Amino acid sequence: DVKVTQSSRYLVKRTGEKVFLECVQDMDHENMFWYRQDPGLGLRLIYFSYDVKMKEKGDIPEGYSVSREKKERFSLILESASTNQTSMYLCASRHNRGPGEKLFFGSGTQLSVL
Amino acid sequence: ELKVEQNPLFLSMQEGKNYTIYCNYSTTSDRLYWYRQDPGKSLESLFVLLSNGAVKQEGRLMASLDTKARLSTLHITAAVHDLSATYFCAGFMYSGGGADGLTFGKGTHLIIQP
Repeated sequence: DVKVTQSSRYLVKRTGEKVFLECVQDMDHENMFWYRQDPGLGLRLIYFSYDVKMKEKGDIPEGYSVSREKKERFSLILESASTNQTSMYLCASRHNRGPGEKLFFGSGTQLSVL
Repeated sequence: ELKVEQNPLFLSMQEGKNYTIYCNYSTTSDRLYWYRQDPGKSLESLFVLLSNGAVKQEGRLMASLDTKARLSTLHITAAVHDLSATYFCAGFMYSGGGADGLTFGKGTHLIIQP
């Protein structure tokens, strides 16, 4: 079975803290993505990566950075967490073999910044 | 910039009825995806529509794509309670880097009552 694993299901941090969200996939997928999901706004793309050490900004990259040192792992970093970054964060991955490839999601990390 | 709009955003219907969820997108996007999300769970891929006129069906759900009208529909036939969920459509946004970031609609929260 396809597996995208996010390290924490719930996380509570304080304003100004540096926060790391980790995502690991076991399917040898080339492409990995970070989204945030907010009520009434749907999913918004933060960053994505199409290969190791490669990254592209999505729609809302401000306040975030990412790291992809190994193919299976894609980390989202909040350099200095703020309350408006309280959200559900979803990691996803897929192969880069063609347009029909499905996107597989992790179970999400609910981050609260106090 | 690709924009994806779903309607309705909220739908309450009775079991046994038929209904359609609409997904409009703003620029050329010849790939359209449908996802389902149950409360507290992550997103599950339902359909990938790749070309104009594409139609896919699974059980009581049928999705179609009209690229000329920039419209996709998700039709529910003889609804049952188990189909209660939030449904998202997503369009394709080409980055030029080899990966594609999906742009999601805000989701349609569907409640099916006995």
